[in-house]
Amino acid sequence: GQQLNQSPQSMFIQEGEDVSMNCTSSSIFNTWLWYKQDPGEGPVLLIALYKAGELTSNGRLTAQFGITRKDSFLNISASIPSDVGIYFCAGRRRSGGGADGLTFGKGTHLIIQP
Amino acid sequence: DGGITQSPKYLFRKEGQNVTLSCEQNLNHDAMYWYRQDPGQGLRLIYYSQIVNDFQKGDIAEGYSVSREKKESFPLTVTSAQKNPTAFYLCASSISGPGATDTQYFGPGTRLTVL
Repeated sequence: GQQLNQSPQSMFIQEGEDVSMNCTSSSIFNTWLWYKQDPGEGPVLLIALYKAGELTSNGRLTAQFGITRKDSFLNISASIPSDVGIYFCAGRRRSGGGADGLTFGKGTHLIIQP
Repeated sequence: DGGITQSPKYLFRKEGQNVTLSCEQNLNHDAMYWYRQDPGQGLRLIYYSQIVNDFQKGDIAEGYSVSREKKESFPLTVTSAQKNPTAFYLCASSISGPGATDTQYFGPGTRLTVL
């Protein structure tokens, strides 16, 4: 199946720094989702994007749905220790109303040094 | 509390044995999904179900089977035909139908280890 190209694969940053990660695809997606996963747990939804060009914030997190529909980015401002984890982008090619699963990136592993 | 539950959290089985992973949701969601996650990898879709008594193969369905006899339950059986079954298995659900969004909510996962 289609894979999303997510980068960077891992990030080592200092507490307080801003973080930026992105996903790209050769195919158009109609929905972009960003999840965070802690070790041994299921992914938790952070932000959902449904329209090209949409910019959505959730606290210190901001995500954008690329205008070409082939990319999305996630920014985290002023990182804190609890931001540590693996961040996944996920996309869906079909419009809402049906269920056929999501395509996931391979994740960005965020490590924060105090 | 509303949510998705998976049991057990950890499961150990001998090679050649079938094993069934449980997934239950009380969110009244129509659609349910099973994903597999391997170390350093994203999630890959095994099976999904849009309504009761109907399910479709995902990208890596070989060696797996599912049933959807009830709206709230979507058990996954890992059969002996699955060549590399050791992995972290995640169940998810979402609203389906006209006007629904694509947001999927995940359970806590089951880590299966085949000895």
